[in-house]
Order: sequence, then structure tokens, then C-alpha cells
Amino acid sequence: SAVISQKPSRDICQRGTSLTIQCQVDSQVTMMFWYRQQPGQSLTLIATANQGSEATYESGFVIDKFPISRPNLTFSTLTVSNMSPEDSSIYLCSDSGTGFMNTEAFFGQGTRLTVV
Amino acid sequence: GEDVEQSLFLSVREGDSSVINCTYTDSSSTYLYWYKQEPGAGLQLLTYIFSNMDMKQDQRLTVLLNKKDKHLSLRIADTQTGDSAIYFCAEKAGGFKTIFGAGTRLFVKA
Repeated sequence: SAVISQKPSRDICQRGTSLTIQCQVDSQVTMMFWYRQQPGQSLTLIATANQGSEATYESGFVIDKFPISRPNLTFSTLTVSNMSPEDSSIYLCSDSGTGFMNTEAFFGQGTRLTVV
Repeated sequence: GEDVEQSLFLSVREGDSSVINCTYTDSSSTYLYWYKQEPGAGLQLLTYIFSNMDMKQDQRLTVLLNKKDKHLSLRIADTQTGDSAIYFCAEKAGGFKTIFGAGTRLFVKA
């Protein structure tokens, strides 16, 4: 199974600032995903991080607000830009597995973001 | 479209079996998952089942899949207080995206 590490694990940020979250996988994976989990809610997919090309965003999420990088097959970053209290959530990174069939989807421990 | 639904709460007594149910809409789903989330923690993959199977057992966990009705269940035998958590049903549908249900909060009473 893949091990996914996220940094930071939590942060408290001032509104109007930006935070970059890092996600490191211990093996090469085809796809990486970023999710948001708002307080008491389920997980919502923000975008698919594609290696070597622009991320693919889900409806309601835009690149200006959530720029994503994927410089190689083991690493990705998500930036939450110009933060407001509504951005307070847990942000989770996930991978699609290491094989073509991609049977499993593992998650990092998440980054708990509080915007004040 | 893709949608996954589950009941929000379940309360059981310690030692009893817990059954958490889930329905999904995408008939092209290839894999269906159960994740556990404890307070303040990330998601732990408990088990998954391929869409051409109807049952999978792993120690105290039994997953049943009724593909015709698009119904998935997770049975936890001999439920313990440490099983108290939120359980998410999820499907991998139409590609590599994983779509999650709202989560079922399991309360285990001692």
C-alpha cells in the first residue's frame, strides 16, 4: 500500500493570505487527487493533479483559487489562495494506486486549515 | 450522474453486529470502498470490493454487494468501542475519481 505524507498537518491562517499544502507519496502513482472536507461534511473532490499538465478541476473549483502543481509522479502541492473563513476545512491528498487497474485509493492524514 | 448515499447515524451495543448500508447510482462503478475516519484523523481504507464480486470477508468485516440494486453494505461483527467512527462508502466510477457518500457515524455503546 502507498504511504502518503501531507504537510502541514494543521495551520491557522489570516484571511487574505495563502497556504500551500504538500503531498508526498512513497511510490510513483499515475494520478493524485485533492479533496476538501468541510466541518461535519463528506469529501468533495477539488481536482485531479496531472503530471506534466494542468490540473483538472471539478465544478465549483477554479485554478485561481486552488492552484495545483504536480512536478513528478510522487509529489503534488495545493495552494489555497486569498483565504476566507469559509475555506476552513480539512484538505486531503489521495492517490490512485500504482497499477493500471488502480484498485485502491489511499489518503494522507489531511491538513486541518483554520482561517481567522 | 454519480451519487452515493448512506444513512447518517447508527448506534449499536458493544458485542453486537453493525450493518452500514450504502446505495450508489453509477452502474459503471468498478470498485467500491469502505473508509473509516476517526475524530481528527485522515481516512483509513478498510476494505474494497470489485464490482464482479458479491461478497468479501476480512476478519470482522463482511462486505456485501448487490450490483442489480446498486446496494453495498459493511457488516462489522462483534463491534467494539474502538469501532466508533465515521464510515464512508465510496465508488470509483467512470475513470479514476473516487466519489464519497456523506458518511455514517457509528456510535458503540458499552
